[in-house]
Amino acid sequence: SQQGEEDPQALSIQEGENATMNCSYKTSINNLQWYRQNSGRGLVHLILIRSNEREKHSGRLRVTLDTSKKSSSLLITASRAADTASYFCATGGSNYKLTFGKGTLLTVNP
Amino acid sequence: GAGVSQSPSNKVTEKGKDVELRCDPISGHTALYWYRQSLGQGLEFLIYFQGNSAPDKSGLPSDRFSAERTGGSVSTLTIQRTQQEDSAVYLCASSSYRAHTGELFFGEGSRLTVL
Repeated sequence: SQQGEEDPQALSIQEGENATMNCSYKTSINNLQWYRQNSGRGLVHLILIRSNEREKHSGRLRVTLDTSKKSSSLLITASRAADTASYFCATGGSNYKLTFGKGTLLTVNP
Repeated sequence: GAGVSQSPSNKVTEKGKDVELRCDPISGHTALYWYRQSLGQGLEFLIYFQGNSAPDKSGLPSDRFSAERTGGSVSTLTIQRTQQEDSAVYLCASSSYRAHTGELFFGEGSRLTVL
């Protein structure tokens, strides 16, 4: 079964706009990670946030984590056409399995 | 290159045939994972290797699936008597940490099509 569930399933925006994707999960976690997957390619790690952190930044990416609501959000600011991809959240718990959601397909229109 | 390498990148086979998918992890990474991604879906965990410990095979969907990791490096995922529902992209990832403390590095995947 999949732990994380991304929302929305698909998102279409114009270049320059911000994109926000959400992830909800069910059980306690040690950390939450976000990955990007370009069509037909492997996944690329974007950012990791630990359970004792609330917010983290990396370039144009901002991730928040609310463990009380078991949810996380990924914000991409000033989006570019090259940001078009599927974005997955993945949760790591007390065991070693990283459990992935079904992803959000982001389309950035030039 | 220094990344995770998977082969073949594409495999088309007939129902009932056996297939082998290979993964070369990043040198020195002790953890190796196999995931399966069906069209438009998330990643389904299959199996996990960590060093010399016994692998966690709890995600393998049936006894037609098996995996080996030789010498703590290269891994082979074998699917016997393939079925059409086995069609998917099989992704390999390696890590220098246990997943709950670090990131996974993924290969480009092996796309399997069972006719």
